[in-house]
Amino acid sequence: DIVMTQSPDSLDVSLGERATINCKSSQSVLYSSNNKNYLAWYQHRPGQTPKLLLSWASARESGVPDRFSGSGSGTDFTLTISSLQAEDVAIYYCHQYFETPYTFGQGTKVGIK
Amino acid sequence: EVQLVQSGAELKKPGQSLKISCKGSGYDFSTYWIAWVRQIPGKGLEWMGIIYPGDSAIIYNPSFQGHVTMSADKSIDTAYLQWNSLKASDTAIYYCARHTTGEGVTVYLDLWGQGSLVTVSS
Repeated sequence: DIVMTQSPDSLDVSLGERATINCKSSQSVLYSSNNKNYLAWYQHRPGQTPKLLLSWASARESGVPDRFSGSGSGTDFTLTISSLQAEDVAIYYCHQYFETPYTFGQGTKVGIK
Repeated sequence: EVQLVQSGAELKKPGQSLKISCKGSGYDFSTYWIAWVRQIPGKGLEWMGIIYPGDSAIIYNPSFQGHVTMSADKSIDTAYLQWNSLKASDTAIYYCARHTTGEGVTVYLDLWGQGSLVTVSS
């Protein structure tokens, strides 16, 4: 199985400041034939359903604010929230869909400092 | 509205059986893979496996195979997750979610059910 490891496990950021979450896969999730990274990011707010933020490592879903961005390739990926808002308090998960069993990172809890 | 609606919370005793459901609406349910995702309280998300309602093809995560059974009834746009003998360690929220397709394969999860809380306690 591909193991997804996120860092840090939690972080507190001041409103308006940048939050950065890292995700590392135990093997590459870059498919060479189409040069796409099979990596998604989800936001899971307390008491709500997980929500897809980004697919293909950096493609923002419709309706997702542009303060959310994704980068990286191969085995190392980053989710950045450029200016943290109160409604961004949540647990964030990376997810590889390169091969089954698909796997998630352990989650990063983002709070307000 | 495109949505997945799951069955309600369940309280069961160890050894009992259970079947929870996930009903899709607003899209062609038969043509998208449905995943089941477990979240143990205070823990992260675990991908349990997927089922294709169109022909009931299934891919289990080996970590869950043999302990749960996935099924679907495309005539009523519903997928199921079933246990024959529950354990206390099955206590969790279970989400169903839709895998969209891209590049010819199942890819990310773009639609989630609200979750079904299963509590197993004597």
